[in-house]
Amino acid sequence: GAGVSQTPSNKVTEKGKYVELRCDPISGHTALYWYRQSLGQGPEFLIYFQGTGAADDSGLPNDRFFAVRPEGSVSTLKIQRTERGDSAVYLCASSFSSLTGELFFGEGSRLTVL
Amino acid sequence: SQQGEEDPQALSIQEGENATMNCSYKTSINNLQWYRQNSGRGLVHLILIRSNEREKHSGRLRVTLDTSKKSSSLLITASRAADTASYFCATDAYSGAGSYQLTFGKGTKLSVIP
Repeated sequence: GAGVSQTPSNKVTEKGKYVELRCDPISGHTALYWYRQSLGQGPEFLIYFQGTGAADDSGLPNDRFFAVRPEGSVSTLKIQRTERGDSAVYLCASSFSSLTGELFFGEGSRLTVL
Repeated sequence: SQQGEEDPQALSIQEGENATMNCSYKTSINNLQWYRQNSGRGLVHLILIRSNEREKHSGRLRVTLDTSKKSSSLLITASRAADTASYFCATDAYSGAGSYQLTFGKGTKLSVIP
């Protein structure tokens, strides 16, 4: 596709469950970012990939959160033992290079933890 | 933590009026960007202004940057109902883990009344 694709668009789960959120970036974009956005707030940085490696994971809130990008394209954000406080919209973005130029965002995955 | 802070938090104007939103930030930047987000959607890049630029135009958008005051403004002229959205400023801030990441403010929610 032409844009950043995120699946699922909505995910409802129970507290304690494991969740995976997928991001398919724009073809050719080497940089990929995950952000989290709570209601009424701006996006909050989680992790940044340059190619296959996590170049900066300083925004991950704790060790329940993990992300991979094994082939340098699609990325998966994994959340273990979900908590109600994890409820938010998880946004993925990609860019052509690692410099902080324009980011192209997906529509987001809305996670609700009951 | 969020580097930028927009004000006002919410703005309601009549169609045809101009809308001005402000952003203040804390640390030195390389560039500042403005993004737009329609309700329930992803963010869309509007304009990027570099630290050595003072003003930039794109269609009905005008952005100014004052690095001495660490502030920026976004002006939308001749507003339309379709401009109704949240607007975020984003600056590149050092993440503390060896890279610069885009850090977003909380946004200004603009309502344009037909």
